[in-house]
Amino acid sequence: QVQLQESGPGLVQPSQTLSLTCTVSGGSINTWGYYWSWVRQQPGKGLEWIGYIHYSGSTNYNPSLKSRVSISVDTSKNQFSLKLSSVTAADTAVYYCARELATDNWLDPWGQGTLVTVSS
Amino acid sequence: EVVMTQSPATLSVSPGERVTLSCRATQSVSGNLAWYQLKPGQAPRLLIYRTSTRATGIPASFSGSGSGTEFTLTISSLQPEDFAVYYCQQYNKWPLTFGGGTKVE
Repeated sequence: QVQLQESGPGLVQPSQTLSLTCTVSGGSINTWGYYWSWVRQQPGKGLEWIGYIHYSGSTNYNPSLKSRVSISVDTSKNQFSLKLSSVTAADTAVYYCARELATDNWLDPWGQGTLVTVSS
Repeated sequence: EVVMTQSPATLSVSPGERVTLSCRATQSVSGNLAWYQLKPGQAPRLLIYRTSTRATGIPASFSGSGSGTEFTLTISSLQPEDFAVYYCQQYNKWPLTFGGGTKVE
């Protein structure tokens, strides 16, 4: 079955760019019916949807983060990536990648998440 | 955006008990509501989609109901492995939004 795994630095300096990659295994990212998404959970808070990318390159971002977010896809590596610029301590969170159904936008499966701390 | 509110924030229960978790939306989300289970260090798990359809492999002890702005997740008999945090999510309107979660302890 499809599995997702996040990777990237666990520590990012304030004002820098957070970069994470999600590797998809057990299935192809080149599937028309799915989006590939990022979700985060800040300490003590609920889940926040960041945005998605389709393998065709189309994207959709949460307006609250849109000015700082970029999601890209590398179909040759079966990976998609998140970049969040100008980070502050408020961007400290566990970041999850997930597959999102394009017709009904629930998320399944998810990666197990990676903690990113923004600190100098 | 559609704001999702879950109650209670924490639920203290014993194994074998029936558990009811609530989720409320600030506007109708039709039936476009999903539930997830989160445990520390594990991948979040989809439990329910379209308000009441159990995801693959989810036991029948989990059930979802509701419509419009009011939704419920019920666990008919809590098992030890069900202690976790549960989140609802609406996918009726962008951006996708989640509730604040209910911790079952």
